[in-house]
Amino acid sequence: GDSVTQMEGPVTLSEEAFLTINCTYTATGYPSLFWYVQYPGEGLQLLLKATKADDKGSNKGFEATYRKETTSFHLEKGSVQVSDSAVYFCALSPLMNRDDKIIFGKGTRLHILP
Amino acid sequence: NAGVTQTPKFQVLKTGQSMTLQCAQDMNHNSMYWYRQDPGMGLRLIYYSASEGTTDKGEVPNGYNVSRLNKREFSLRLESAAPSQTSVYFCASTSFYEQYFGPGTRLTVT
Repeated sequence: GDSVTQMEGPVTLSEEAFLTINCTYTATGYPSLFWYVQYPGEGLQLLLKATKADDKGSNKGFEATYRKETTSFHLEKGSVQVSDSAVYFCALSPLMNRDDKIIFGKGTRLHILP
Repeated sequence: NAGVTQTPKFQVLKTGQSMTLQCAQDMNHNSMYWYRQDPGMGLRLIYYSASEGTTDKGEVPNGYNVSRLNKREFSLRLESAAPSQTSVYFCASTSFYEQYFGPGTRLTVT
């Protein structure tokens, strides 16, 4: 079945460092891909998305490019801030998605040190 | 526009007690979901409702029941709580493949 695999955390970086969180997927056809973020004590919220191959999603300085050839959707940010500390979830929506279900990865916890 | 709301925010139950977690959305979405989130386990789907009047089991439905009361409301019931159900519970609704989450209910079963 469809699935998402993302790098295990926690990831600890210093402020202004470059961030990459890896995500790969297994799916039939061309799913839509997402990154969600969960700040402490809150529910998940959509960070960015891409709906077709080679699309780049971006928001709040974060970017991710839909790479069909490597079935990947890695999250990047050029200069992280302490306020980026959160848990990040990679997710996909299958191509034939009658029930609107989203398949989530297990999440990667990010700690940014001042 | 409140989005997705959940009540209560916190709850402590004794083993064997029952309770209902409430969820409502004001975005006119058809699909709604209940997840649980345990440390290191990510999100696990308990039940979902693709439309008013329908419900289906997710990955971990045992020990839970749901009711899709109308298009806005989707409740989750624990009939006889067990310590293994200690978790954070999230409700979500979906529009165009984007899920909107509530703030969560932190449940402890002693």
